[in-house]
Amino acid sequence: DAGITQSPRHKVTETGTPVTLRCHQTENHRYMYWYRQDPGHGLRLIHYSYGVKDTDKGEVSDGYSVSRSKTEDFLLTLESATSSQTSVYFCAISVQGNTEAFFGQGTRLTVV
Amino acid sequence: GQQLNQSPQSMFIQEGEDVSMNCTSSSIFNTWLWYKQDPGEGPVLLIALYKAGELTSNGRLTAQFGITRKDSFLNISASIPSDVGIYFCAGQLLEYGNKLVFGAGTILRVKS
Repeated sequence: DAGITQSPRHKVTETGTPVTLRCHQTENHRYMYWYRQDPGHGLRLIHYSYGVKDTDKGEVSDGYSVSRSKTEDFLLTLESATSSQTSVYFCAISVQGNTEAFFGQGTRLTVV
Repeated sequence: GQQLNQSPQSMFIQEGEDVSMNCTSSSIFNTWLWYKQDPGEGPVLLIALYKAGELTSNGRLTAQFGITRKDSFLNISASIPSDVGIYFCAGQLLEYGNKLVFGAGTILRVKS
């Protein structure tokens, strides 16, 4: 298995509260991604990083921010959680942007 | 957003049957990837394709990168019960930089 750890694995939070999800890798891969998975939508890219402090938006970035201060860690923050952000969040890593991406086990977030 | 149409949405299989699924788009892809996801887990990479016309096998799985670069298919031969799960195609779009776009998934179930 690729060395990717997501934390927490499950979280329930209240609307309006800030939430941070963490992705940690031990592979020293340059690219890291955050996706959300919802029924009928497959996986949709939220943000990605192509190096330390280098990030860019994906197709569903509104309401989310990210930070990457170290190669191994990529943080996803919901500044003020909403019910529409209830989802399963996956982190992925890849050596290069156009090569295979390997996924973590996911974080199930419920916003009540 | 980018359109990647995966079909069928779901299918039932009987043990021993061959299975086929595909992804199509109106855009040109540089890379096609096929993933399988089991319940509660992250997607696991099955096959990666990098060249138009490329045909690649992984055990009972065979996938092809369409010659027009706008489609790909995945075949599973002689299916077994552990093949059930959700299969996703993913592609890197030429005009989308280093980001992968995912299909909505094909759910494979076993006929009872």
